[in-house]
Order: sequence, then C-alpha cells, then structure tokens
Amino acid sequence: GIQVEQSPPDLILQEGANSTLRCNFSDSVNNLQWFHQNPWGQLINLFYIPSGTKQNGRLSATTVATERYSLLYISSSQTTDSGVYFCAVGANTGGFKTIFGAGTRLFVKA
Amino acid sequence: NAGVTQTPKFQVLKTGQSMTLQCAQDMNHEYMSWYRQDPGMGLRLIHYSVGAGITDQGEVPNGYNVSRSTTEDFPLRLLSAAPSQTSVYFCASSILAGTNTGELFFGEGSRLTVL
Repeated sequence: GIQVEQSPPDLILQEGANSTLRCNFSDSVNNLQWFHQNPWGQLINLFYIPSGTKQNGRLSATTVATERYSLLYISSSQTTDSGVYFCAVGANTGGFKTIFGAGTRLFVKA
Repeated sequence: NAGVTQTPKFQVLKTGQSMTLQCAQDMNHEYMSWYRQDPGMGLRLIHYSVGAGITDQGEVPNGYNVSRSTTEDFPLRLLSAAPSQTSVYFCASSILAGTNTGELFFGEGSRLTVL
C-alpha cells in the first residue's frame, strides 16, 4: 500500500518564527489532507489539497502531485499552533483507504 | 449541525468483554470509517464503508467488526476485548465523488482502556 512520510518528526519554534512541514508519499494520490491535532486530541481540518496551493490566514499548503509531496507552511507561529500536524492521503489505486503519516509534533515557545 | 458524533467518549473494559462504539453523522455522507490512534503514532484505518450494506477492511481490521445498516450510523464492535485494543478511536465521514473520497470530517474520539 501507499507509504506516507512526514518530516521533521519534532519541531520546536520560538513564537513568531516560520516553519515548513513536509509530507512525501509513495504513489499517486486522489486526495490529500492536512490536519492539526490540538493538545486536547481534536482533529482540526486545515486543508483538503490533492494538488495546487491554498492559503488560510497564516497557514498555506502546496501539493505537487507529480513529484509526490506536499508542504504545509506556518508563518508567524503562535503558541496555539502547538500540537501534531498530520498529512493523510488516498491512493489512486487501493480503494477508499485514506492513510495517515506519523505526524510532525510542533511546540511553539512563548 | 452536529457533524460526526461518537459515543461513549470514555470506556474501561476488562479483557474478554464486548462492547460497541457508536458513530453517527448528520451530513448525509456515503463514506464512513474508523481509525485507531496509539500514543505517539498516527491514525491507522480499521474498517470503512462506502454506503449502507457495504463495508471493507482497512490496515488493522483484526478483532473488530462493523456493519452499516443506515447511511447515518457506523458502529464498531469489539467482540472480545484485549489489552492491545487500548487506544483512542476516531470515526470519520465524507462524501464520495466517483472513486474518490472527499474531505474527511472526524468525531471527537472515544478513549478505550482494556484491563
């Protein structure tokens, strides 16, 4: 099945810093999502982005499907950005299975 | 709009007991799925359904049963709980667009401890 790798696994930032999270996948995909899991365990939808670029406030994401990666940009980070960021993909072949990466754990220091 | 609702939020079981985690969605989504999340790990797919009467296995289906009698509900059954099934369980739903799923929406999770 499709493999999803996220990097870095852990990231510590000073408040106000920018960061880039990466998601690599091993096969062509028909959907890709980014989630934020907050410290209370809730999964927050950030982007549904099988291809192209989207922006929402301080966050933006780019998926280059032909090169099998997606990037999540966080600008001017805030302490409330802390948590785990997951990439999840659905392969073109493999039915309707959406597979998650292991996540990037982000801690933003005040 | 409630979205995806999971019950119970917390449950403690003894080894060998059975239980059902409930999941309901009010968005008329055809696709529903169950994931488990173990400490420090990502979510792993247990089972999924693309409509009433249709279910299929995910990455880690052993020890779990599902059924889909209505569009709204997708219960997950543990027939004989084991300590290895201690985890947080998430239910998700989305539209279907041809052979693709759309954006997944998750419930708040159910924390299960098996002693």
